[in-house]
Amino acid sequence: GAVVSQHPSRVICKSGTSVKIECRSLDFQATTMFWYRQFPKQSLMLMATSNEGSKATYEQGVEKDKFLINHASLTLSTLTVTSAHPEDSSFYICSARDGATGGNQPQHFGDGTRLSIL
Amino acid sequence: QKEVEQNSGPLSVPEGAIASLNCTYSDRGSQSFFWYRQYSGKSPELIMSIYSNGDKEDGRFTAQLNKASQYVSLLIRDSQPSDSATYLCASRSASKIIFGSGTRLSIRP
Repeated sequence: GAVVSQHPSRVICKSGTSVKIECRSLDFQATTMFWYRQFPKQSLMLMATSNEGSKATYEQGVEKDKFLINHASLTLSTLTVTSAHPEDSSFYICSARDGATGGNQPQHFGDGTRLSIL
Repeated sequence: QKEVEQNSGPLSVPEGAIASLNCTYSDRGSQSFFWYRQYSGKSPELIMSIYSNGDKEDGRFTAQLNKASQYVSLLIRDSQPSDSATYLCASRSASKIIFGSGTRLSIRP
């Protein structure tokens, strides 16, 4: 089945550091990928929709200058948390859908990245 | 009003019994519905998808969809302790999937 790989799985870094998270679709092409954030005991919150070859679409309240998204190829999207602060500590999860198999297909998730800012 | 609503639980069910999870959605235009299971500290994994009214069965899981009532449910038969997790209901609205806040299910031995 479709596999989405996310890297790194865990990051611990100092406040002010920028952190890049990669999301790859391993056996399918994903023209669209999605980035979610999940705080403890809360649901997944969609941050942005990443579109290959064009600008990402951000959800209301998500700062596009802080969360930089690049989707340069059909199999790779990156999320960069710029100048991260402790309040950015969260579980970040990407997902992708196999666009070749039709619009009803579910999204497949990466394993997530747990980001801890000290 | 949230677009996808679920009871947060926790829902406690004895081992071997049927667990029933419910979800309502607000967008009548939604055509695709999904149930994901999420263990603590892990990312969601897809359990079932359903696109038409009625029941869809896969092993111990049955998804039910009623578009007129805007209602989706998931039944888990012969519940096992390993079924203890948070279950996320999701609907596709336009090009993105909207998740409910999840129902925490606990299977007691």
